[in-house]
Amino acid sequence: DIQMTQSPSSVSASVGDRVTIACRASQGISSWLAWYQQKPGKAPKLLIYAASSLQSGVPSRFSGSGSGTDFTLTISNLQPEDFATFFCQQAISFPPTFGGGTKVEIK
Amino acid sequence: EVQLVQSGAEVKKPGESLKISCKGSGYAFTTYWIGWVRQMPGKGLEWMGIIYPGDSKTRYSPSFQGQVTISTDKSISTAYLQWSSLKASDTAVYYCGIGVAPSGWLDPWGQGTLVTVSS
Repeated sequence: DIQMTQSPSSVSASVGDRVTIACRASQGISSWLAWYQQKPGKAPKLLIYAASSLQSGVPSRFSGSGSGTDFTLTISNLQPEDFATFFCQQAISFPPTFGGGTKVEIK
Repeated sequence: EVQLVQSGAEVKKPGESLKISCKGSGYAFTTYWIGWVRQMPGKGLEWMGIIYPGDSKTRYSPSFQGQVTISTDKSISTAYLQWSSLKASDTAVYYCGIGVAPSGWLDPWGQGTLVTVSS
């Protein structure tokens, strides 16, 4: 299986900050990467697919970049509703695998 | 609106069987995959398997092969995840989600079903 490693595991930030989350694949996955947001007690929500494509309805302050093995999710101008846990997922080989998650907390 | 609605929370004893459901609406149920994902308490996401309701083609993650059974009843637009003999370690929230490919991303997801296995 392809291993997905996220960093950091948690980050403290303030409203208005820019937050960057990294995701590294154990082998090249081209642009076959998705990012999800999960709030406590809720199902994950797809934010970004194909590494950099914004899912419909997702605010433009979320952006994704990268290809191959290294990827980044950036949240610019962090809003109160953005405090959550974020997961990356490789979508090139079966079984799909997720990163361990990054919790964005209020500073 | 495309939607998946999952069955309610379950409390079971070790050794019991269980079947939980995921009902799709607002889209052509037979033309998209339905995936299942486990989230153990306080932990991350684990892909369990996926089914194509059109022909019931199913793929399991090796970690879950033989541990669960994924099925579908396309006449009622519903997918299922079942266990024949639950263990305490099956305690988790289980999510279903719509995929366009066996290895693809899922969107949207069901609300989740909490399964608690305790003696």
